[in-house]
Amino acid sequence: KNEVEQSPQNLTAQEGEFITINCSYSVGISALHWLQQHPGGGIVSLFMLSSGKKKHGRFIATINIQEKHSSLHITASHPRDSAVYICAVRAGGADGLTFGKGTHLIIQP
Amino acid sequence: GAVVSQHPSWVICKSGTSVKIECRSLDFQATTMFWYRQFPKQSLMLMATSNEGSKATYEQGVEKDKFLINHASLTLSTLTVTSAHPEDSSFYICSARRPPGHRGYTFGSGTRLTVV
Repeated sequence: KNEVEQSPQNLTAQEGEFITINCSYSVGISALHWLQQHPGGGIVSLFMLSSGKKKHGRFIATINIQEKHSSLHITASHPRDSAVYICAVRAGGADGLTFGKGTHLIIQP
Repeated sequence: GAVVSQHPSWVICKSGTSVKIECRSLDFQATTMFWYRQFPKQSLMLMATSNEGSKATYEQGVEKDKFLINHASLTLSTLTVTSAHPEDSSFYICSARRPPGHRGYTFGSGTRLTVV
């Protein structure tokens, strides 16, 4: 069974801080996704990774396939970054995604 | 591009009634649509995978007669919660693979169902 574990579950930080959210998974995957879920529930796809590192604005995602681990970083965090960040993986051969429980991030001004 | 529109965004219904949730791909053809459910403070869980023109594939533990999925066209998939009960109250969200040339998935905005 594929398990996706995220840490921390909750994170409160001050505006401007560097944020790191971690994700570990237990089986071989074809891709890993980082998603952002807003308070209303809507989900935005931030990154899809199968290796290495990606950067989009202040958001950076890295993955280590051998260690089955990924991190999402936010530089110069801002209150508008407050959301739930979800790690999801697509296991090799599977169609849908398996999700972590999410990290609830609050950035205080 | 690759937008999925989901309606309604929220619905309240009485026990025993049925509720239909629609997901439309607005600017691409979605041959495969995924339906997920999320209970409070829990992960999104895959309920079923629907392919245009064929029967949906349900995950273990999901009642196919209760959660009817129809994917009759390349731009529309529907989930009908039949004979809804309070325990069906949840957040339902659909997702589609982005079209060829794009990677990843695009998500609907979700439907919060409350059964009273």
